[in-house]
Amino acid sequence: SAVISQKPSRDICQRGTSLTIQCQVDSQVTMMFWYRQQPGQSLTLIATANQGSEATYESGFVIDKFPISRPNLTFSTLTVSNMSPEDSSIYLCSVGAGLGTEAFFGQGTRLTVV
Amino acid sequence: DAKTTQPTSMDCAEGRAANLPCNHSTISGNEYVYWYRQIHSQGPQYIIHGLKNNETNEMASLIITEDRKSSTLILPHATLRDTAVYYCIVRVAYNQGGKLIFGQGTELSVKP
Repeated sequence: SAVISQKPSRDICQRGTSLTIQCQVDSQVTMMFWYRQQPGQSLTLIATANQGSEATYESGFVIDKFPISRPNLTFSTLTVSNMSPEDSSIYLCSVGAGLGTEAFFGQGTRLTVV
Repeated sequence: DAKTTQPTSMDCAEGRAANLPCNHSTISGNEYVYWYRQIHSQGPQYIIHGLKNNETNEMASLIITEDRKSSTLILPHATLRDTAVYYCIVRVAYNQGGKLIFGQGTELSVKP
């Protein structure tokens, strides 16, 4: 199993500013994933972060808006840039597992942009 | 990854079995069926997964049809704490290290 810690757990931010969310895993993992969950909606994958290479973004998400760092095998950050109220969501970090086993999720960062 | 179809919502009486269906008619031979649930304001929690055979663990049972085009998650004795959104997901085992694509899920309400 993997234990994932996200910081901050919640924040209220002014529009036009940026917030960096941290994700720490208690074991080394190859892939880390960032999801967004808008109010009342399901989870949407933002990007896959692989250590040592640029993140791979899903359709509709761009690096300028959601830059991701992956400096080592246990840590990643997601920045939400130039925020607007539409960015108010829960952002979740996840780590995948091996063949036929489970993925693990952090408890999320609840972001409110005012 | 194959797309899944689930009912939007279901109710279940406390103590009774909750049977949550999922259709995945375009599933491929190397795609697993995963079930996760999300209790309000928490991160998704893994429940169970399977490839071809039925599976059971301490939380639930997973019944996969012989043609693998549908499956049912069974919570044998639902409690109020099982009220959550349940997601059925199919994915290739080595799909980019565990990327999951979530559908809309089924909102299960367990009632006294």
